[in-house]
Amino acid sequence: AQTVTQSQPEMSVQEAETVTLSCTYDTSESDYYLFWYKQPPSRQMILVIRQEAYKQQNATENRFSVNFQKAAKSFSLKISDSQLGDAAMYFCAYYYSGGGADGLTFGKGTHLIIQP
Amino acid sequence: DAGVTQSPTHLIKTRGQQVTLRCSPISGHKSVSWYQQVLGQGPQFIFQYYEKEERGRGNFPDRFSARQFPNYSSELNVNALLLGDSALYLCASSLGNRVEGEKLFFGSGTQLSVL
Repeated sequence: AQTVTQSQPEMSVQEAETVTLSCTYDTSESDYYLFWYKQPPSRQMILVIRQEAYKQQNATENRFSVNFQKAAKSFSLKISDSQLGDAAMYFCAYYYSGGGADGLTFGKGTHLIIQP
Repeated sequence: DAGVTQSPTHLIKTRGQQVTLRCSPISGHKSVSWYQQVLGQGPQFIFQYYEKEERGRGNFPDRFSARQFPNYSSELNVNALLLGDSALYLCASSLGNRVEGEKLFFGSGTQLSVL
């Protein structure tokens, strides 16, 4: 079974600084998708960024970018110019369509605190 | 366009009771998935439905069941509630097109408390 590990329960960063959240995963598949979701206190999960494993180029969405290392099975999220609104739980997730279960596998999350 | 809507937002039940949670997907989305999020954990996959058929099921007991209606809305049913079923239940909708890598759009969830 696939597993997703987020080793940082909590991270803190000064406003306007850059922070990197770590994620590793375990899979024997070669074609899959990886995601970062944000969950603010409202508890609605919001998609931040998505990466296709077959693409070597790292995905970027405005201030959010990833460092995807396929061989190392590592998928970190970099947030540049951190803003107070970025404070939330961040979840890394894995998806493989051929596995039969057809659901996302989430990590336990990283609580991101933004210091003003 | 309305996002994913879930009802009710909060629910309190006692052990042994049964509960039904409801979800309406984004217009044009044909797939609905259900996730359970226990406090302090990431969401866990329960079911996915696509075009009214069950496409996938996570590692949950048979007390959990779901269905999808012709208008693509969905219900999640949990029978014989246990204290451990207390959680936030998240519904997510998607196109259901696996080529898109299952880009999910989540509702705000139903918080279920079992006493």
